[in-house]
Amino acid sequence: GQQVQQSPASLVLQEGENAELQCNFSSTATRLQWFYQHPGGRLVSLFYNPSGTKHTGRLTSTTVTNERRSSLHISSSQTTDSGTYFCAIERSSSFSKLVFGQGTSLSVVP
Amino acid sequence: GGIITQTPKFLIGQEGQKLTLKCQQNFNHDTMYWYRQDSGKGLRLIYYSITENDLQKGDLSEGYDASREKKSSFSLTVTSAQKNEMAVFLCASSNWVSSYEQYFGPGTRLTVL
Repeated sequence: GQQVQQSPASLVLQEGENAELQCNFSSTATRLQWFYQHPGGRLVSLFYNPSGTKHTGRLTSTTVTNERRSSLHISSSQTTDSGTYFCAIERSSSFSKLVFGQGTSLSVVP
Repeated sequence: GGIITQTPKFLIGQEGQKLTLKCQQNFNHDTMYWYRQDSGKGLRLIYYSITENDLQKGDLSEGYDASREKKSSFSLTVTSAQKNEMAVFLCASSNWVSSYEQYFGPGTRLTVL
């Protein structure tokens, strides 16, 4: 079955609104990472966050390991935030093998 | 800083053709990866190489071969292109110690006619 599930699948925001993206995973994860994919295709790492809360700029990631969930909060969204956000886990038994969710496609309109 | 380059950016092939995608990184990373991304989907791991001269199959290795020619380069070969293989192929690399921090290339978009 699906090991990493993200919700929502897509989201449209008005510029300035906040967003909360969810990631639930079914297997034990030793690592969890959030990625952002530009509309042009390049994937960049946002957070490595296996547990707890991390902030960078307008982004906050919170992972509750024993509940097997993580969230990515985007505050005061901007049109440049548009793109696809992926959650990925590394399974405890598989060194360096990331398993990706399906992604959340975010569109921020002016 | 460093960079990962992938060539070609766009690859068009015929069904049944053998096609090769190339990836170079100058991070001096030990580990390199090939992922496939289908439209609207997440990434799936095809092959990875933990160190030079190593090769490991991912979840989607059937129909592909890979080669780690040297530490900085990792190639992927589609052994017989099929129409349902139209996808973007992403290369990544990471340090042995901090393998979670994977850096990605811009991708190669494959179209099979």
